[in-house]
Amino acid sequence: ELKVEQNPLFLSMQEGKNYTIYCNYSTTSDRLYWYRQDPGKSLESLFVLLSNGAVKQEGRLMASLDTKARLSTLHITAAVHDLSATYFCAVAPRSSNYQLIWGAGTKLIIKP
Amino acid sequence: GAGVSQTPSNKVTEKGKYVELRCDPISGHTALYWYRQSLGQGPEFLIYFQGTGAADDSGLPNDRFFAVRPEGSVSTLKIQRTERGDSAVYLCASSLNRVVGRSSYNEQFFGPGTRLTVL
Repeated sequence: ELKVEQNPLFLSMQEGKNYTIYCNYSTTSDRLYWYRQDPGKSLESLFVLLSNGAVKQEGRLMASLDTKARLSTLHITAAVHDLSATYFCAVAPRSSNYQLIWGAGTKLIIKP
Repeated sequence: GAGVSQTPSNKVTEKGKYVELRCDPISGHTALYWYRQSLGQGPEFLIYFQGTGAADDSGLPNDRFFAVRPEGSVSTLKIQRTERGDSAVYLCASSLNRVVGRSSYNEQFFGPGTRLTVL
């Protein structure tokens, strides 16, 4: 069974701290996506990671992909309240050019 | 440019009624997807269109659910004899196959969703 596991599922942290969200997956893949979802809103694409060792950064967020370990990380640097949201990773199996297997999401609360 | 749009944004209906949910994808995107999302969960795949045809409808939960995309653009998700368990947010996404180096990928862009409540 294809699985994508995120951890933690819930994270409450103070502004200014650093933290990492982990996304482990069970299938062979070299395409991984990170999305952000604000409460009551839709999914916003953050990063597309297409190869082993890929690293993308946008502001205080940095995502990386290790296809050999089947692991992606989303690192938050010096968190600010505006980053509070639920973050999802989604994996595209190598066997498919359209299917995405989704993690359960990490709900991130950043306290001012 | 305009993103994916969905109408209505909210739909309240009674058990047993028929509903239609509409999705207008990003212009030029050949692929269109329907998902449904329950509170606190990730999106659950329902159906995928490539052009006008349903390339994969394996996620539709039963034969009460049906979707069409007659002209390869706008899509309608149709639910017959609605049940309370159908209550969820129905999300639509569209994508265009892109190639970077030796990799091809389909970054999916999501609409705002339709919140369906079946009483």
